[in-house]
Amino acid sequence: NAGVTQTPKFRVLKTGQSMTLLCAQDMNHEYMYWYRQDPGMGLRLIHYSVGEGTTAKGEVPDGYNVSRLKKQNFLLGLESAAPSQTSVYFCASSYGAGVSQETQYFGPGTRLLVL
Amino acid sequence: AQTVTQSQPEMSVQEAETVTLSCTYDTSESDYYLFWYKQPPSRQMILVIRQEAYKQQNATENRFSVNFQKAAKSFSLKISDSQLGDAAMYFCAYRSMYSGGGADGLTFGKGTHLIIQP
Repeated sequence: NAGVTQTPKFRVLKTGQSMTLLCAQDMNHEYMYWYRQDPGMGLRLIHYSVGEGTTAKGEVPDGYNVSRLKKQNFLLGLESAAPSQTSVYFCASSYGAGVSQETQYFGPGTRLLVL
Repeated sequence: AQTVTQSQPEMSVQEAETVTLSCTYDTSESDYYLFWYKQPPSRQMILVIRQEAYKQQNATENRFSVNFQKAAKSFSLKISDSQLGDAAMYFCAYRSMYSGGGADGLTFGKGTHLIIQP
């Protein structure tokens, strides 16, 4: 039982390049999330998904796209990377809504540097 | 929109002593969840404790306990018998109980850096 895993752990991009971050969970969770963490800040929600085939915008969605084709995977895409997207990206998952199902479990993070 | 404020950027405590980290939040909702997460230098986000707003009893997890004051919108974390392994960033987080409309994610404070002095 690996929990939540993220690929890659670290990546350097040049401005304008594209990339996809992969999040996988093996806990059969319905909900999945992408957050970003910048220095001196807490995590901020980018996009989330409440089930396979669904996605929704969070607090800071601009410049990112997501897809949830399989229940266990949640992909975060950057079509044209910008230096402002330099950050640490965290994926999380949870069972969903309802008492005792709210706890979000986080992956180890992906550090992205855009030059 | 909800906001979470952690007014202490950094706290320091002697090993084996007790320390309290502050958190206040702003919301117009009556039902919600509150969390404390720990982030050690490894960057892994680790759940420390959670509290449901409808519960009057304060949550406890071993050496960790909270003081939840709903009317004051305050949610402080007390760490008893501090250990070197407690050194980390601590984040307070809020989650609405209502799904949809962006309400499903966590809203985080900016964090408190906890230093444990040996």
